[in-house]
Amino acid sequence: AQSVTQPDIHITVSEGASLELRCNYSYGATPYLFWYVQSPGQGLQLLLKYFSGDTLVQGIKGFEAEFKRSQSSFNLRKPSVHWSDAAEYFCAWNSGNTPLVFGKGTRLSVIA
Amino acid sequence: SAVISQKPSRDICQRGTSLTIQCQVDSQVTMMFWYRQQPGQSLTLIATANQGSEATYESGFVIDKFPISRPNLTFSTLTVSNMSPEDSSIYLCSARGGQGHNEQFFGPGTRLTVL
Repeated sequence: AQSVTQPDIHITVSEGASLELRCNYSYGATPYLFWYVQSPGQGLQLLLKYFSGDTLVQGIKGFEAEFKRSQSSFNLRKPSVHWSDAAEYFCAWNSGNTPLVFGKGTRLSVIA
Repeated sequence: SAVISQKPSRDICQRGTSLTIQCQVDSQVTMMFWYRQQPGQSLTLIATANQGSEATYESGFVIDKFPISRPNLTFSTLTVSNMSPEDSSIYLCSARGGQGHNEQFFGPGTRLTVL
């Protein structure tokens, strides 16, 4: 089935450390890929998206993601994590005019 | 960009009753959707709200339980019917204009608790 998979349910990193959240997609062609963040009690905010062109995508809040067709991956990265980055992160995809389908999410905890 | 508002923001309801959630977008959008987010879970698509015609439901969701209306390009309602405690979730309205690579915006959600 066409989907995105987030293998890590929960990740804990130290403040100032680098971060990589994994996302793998299963789709015959190149999907449109997105990363959203949901802070506790808050709505969903789009961090970045990829649909064509440069495979390294820059987003808001210092996040970036790299689309790798060979690995069917769209991993989210940040070089230095801040305590305020603690949240739930969702990878999502669609194709054409279909609605977004979300992965199960990765909860990020940041420790001092 | 589109700003989406939902009413009510939260509600506590009794088993067997129904609740209608309203979603208002501040601009005309091509597509509107309804999602459910159960506690500690990801978002699951309930249906695509089609203007002037019946909504398109995902597997596991039926019109009798989740009737949806979309009378125009900026407004939609979702009704949760004959509620049970298993319906306790956050219900999110979402909208997108144009092509699939465009940003899909989300409302703040309606937190529903069924006793």
